[in-house]
Amino acid sequence: GAVVSQHPSWVICKSGTSVKIECRSLDFQATTMFWYRQFPKQSLMLMATSNEGSKATYEQGVEKDKFLINHASLTLSTLTVTSAHPEDSSFYICSARDDRDLGTQYFGPGTRLLVL
Amino acid sequence: QQQVKQSPQSLIVQKGGISIINCAYENTAFDYFPWYQQFPGKGPALLIAIRPDVSEKKEGRFTISFNKSAKQFSLHIMDSQPGDSATYFCAADMRFGAGTRLTVKP
Repeated sequence: GAVVSQHPSWVICKSGTSVKIECRSLDFQATTMFWYRQFPKQSLMLMATSNEGSKATYEQGVEKDKFLINHASLTLSTLTVTSAHPEDSSFYICSARDDRDLGTQYFGPGTRLLVL
Repeated sequence: QQQVKQSPQSLIVQKGGISIINCAYENTAFDYFPWYQQFPGKGPALLIAIRPDVSEKKEGRFTISFNKSAKQFSLHIMDSQPGDSATYFCAADMRFGAGTRLTVKP
């Protein structure tokens, strides 16, 4: 099956610093990727839709200047949390839509961010 | 943002029983309805998915029933096993339901 990787899997940072999370589709091309945030015991909340070669589309209430998304190739999207604060601590999960089967999303293993 | 409503919030089933989780959506433009299984600390894994032109899809012990006119769909897990204990999410396109925590007692 299709594999999506995320790096890093765990990150701890100080308040005010920026953190970059990578999402890669390993064996398929993905023009579209999605970024989600999940708080403990809650559902996945869609943050933004990332399209290769164009600007990301952010969900209502998500600060685009705080959560920078870059989708520079058909296999890589990055999420940068700028000036992170403790309330940004969460589980960030990406998914990639296989270009060969435009409905199916494959999820990465997630990145746990802890901001001190 | 919660455009998909999922119930129940939690479910306890005896081993060998049938687990049933229900979802309802609002936007008729949705055309892909997957179910995901998630274990603690892991990303969600696709279990089974259906498109609106089909009323039922079965894969092993997992069956999706889809009612387009009612805008509802459900997941049935037959012969539930303790290893099925996890959180299950329905989704419509990329929008997730709130999740159901399933516990299968041995």
